[in-house]
Amino acid sequence: GAGVSQTPSNKVTEKGKYVELRCDPISGHTALYWYRQSLGQGPEFLIYFQGTGAADDSGLPNDRFFAVRPEGSVSTLKIQRTERGDSAVYLCASSPGQGRDEQYFGPGTRLTVT
Amino acid sequence: RKEVEQDPGPFNVPEGATVAFNCTYSNSASQSFFWYRQDCRKEPKLLMSVYSSGNEDGRFTAQLNRASQYISLLIRDSKLSDSATYLCVVWDKAAGNKLTFGGGTRVLVKP
Repeated sequence: GAGVSQTPSNKVTEKGKYVELRCDPISGHTALYWYRQSLGQGPEFLIYFQGTGAADDSGLPNDRFFAVRPEGSVSTLKIQRTERGDSAVYLCASSPGQGRDEQYFGPGTRLTVT
Repeated sequence: RKEVEQDPGPFNVPEGATVAFNCTYSNSASQSFFWYRQDCRKEPKLLMSVYSSGNEDGRFTAQLNRASQYISLLIRDSKLSDSATYLCVVWDKAAGNKLTFGGGTRVLVKP
């Protein structure tokens, strides 16, 4: 079956611009996670959705970052007033239930802020 | 101190040899442990879960030492295709269902 998909695969934007990153989880997966991975580091947790609600957004670095999942399936990560330090690979993962389940990752969106 | 720490490597391993590396975690209440594999410019994929009694999956053996708060991964008879970054991952329900990743250990298997 189809895995987790993310669009775009690459995004180059100028400092100060707004970007949206999209994630399509595996069909039927109720849990959806966003992570950010910088070069040479492991993924860092940003936010977790259970259904439509953000169950844990403790990893969002500041109020420029926001994510939604209005219908409990597709999610969008939104970054306002981008900064060069936001450059990273943004990974989305989904799982059938909660954290102990295997998380299936998408290929990521590589964001470059110039 | 990072919650999950790993030696970044790289571990240069001759094909056919055995390689082992550890990961330490700081939260003694952590409940579940995993090894994920990440190939260059690809997404992480689950390699194996780590159980208290230790577990084996083919050429891969994982061990958990709760007293010393570390987990280990051993790869026997290394293949060229084992070249990747191995991510140590910890899950603690009290921390809110997120996975906490180490920085990864890079393994390069050479002919």
